[in-house]
Amino acid sequence: EADIYQTPRYLVIGTGKKITLECSQTMGHDKMYWYQQDPGMELHLIHYSYGVNSTEKGDLSSESTVSRIRTEHFPLTLESARPSHTSQYLCASSEAFRNTIYFGEGSWLTVV
Amino acid sequence: KQEVTQIPAALSVPEGENLVLNCSFTDSAIYNLQWFRQDPGKGLTSLLLIQSSQREQTSGRLNASLDKSSGRSTLYIAASQPGDSATYLCAVNYNNDMRFGAGTRLTVKP
Repeated sequence: EADIYQTPRYLVIGTGKKITLECSQTMGHDKMYWYQQDPGMELHLIHYSYGVNSTEKGDLSSESTVSRIRTEHFPLTLESARPSHTSQYLCASSEAFRNTIYFGEGSWLTVV
Repeated sequence: KQEVTQIPAALSVPEGENLVLNCSFTDSAIYNLQWFRQDPGKGLTSLLLIQSSQREQTSGRLNASLDKSSGRSTLYIAASQPGDSATYLCAVNYNNDMRFGAGTRLTVKP
């Protein structure tokens, strides 16, 4: 069982609101990731991190930002939510890029 | 472009059948390939990881094979059960870049 946690699991917010999706892992993994997945579609990488103070953009353009101040914590922030941000956001971590990747349960975001 | 394709998109079988899910990838310069299971509304659970130097991996009723030269992997599920119903995704790891397929939605009917 992977020890990676996401909150909130479900959220409905209004357009223009600021939202932070939390992700924490207790496995001491250096590598962490955020993916976006629409229902029935493939996952798209939006951000990743090599370790503390490292953040990189993925191959899907995203208006979100991330931070990595502590190894175990990798929050994702949307400064001004729009309906196009409605999706499932999945956080993941791995010991190294070539190792097994573990996922959280996901955060379902609906922007109205 | 590194693309990952999974066929079929959906599959329905009666309980007890053996079945094969397919994954193909366009760039054979992979580090490893991972198969995941995703239940509705949930995250992904890792099933099997095959390194590029390996041909197959087994876990219980699951067996995954890898043919790097032809750009293909298969996930074999033996004696399927209703609890196996889920979406199965393959992900190909290209060093720092992991590419996911869209998944095969499996339904096992009692």
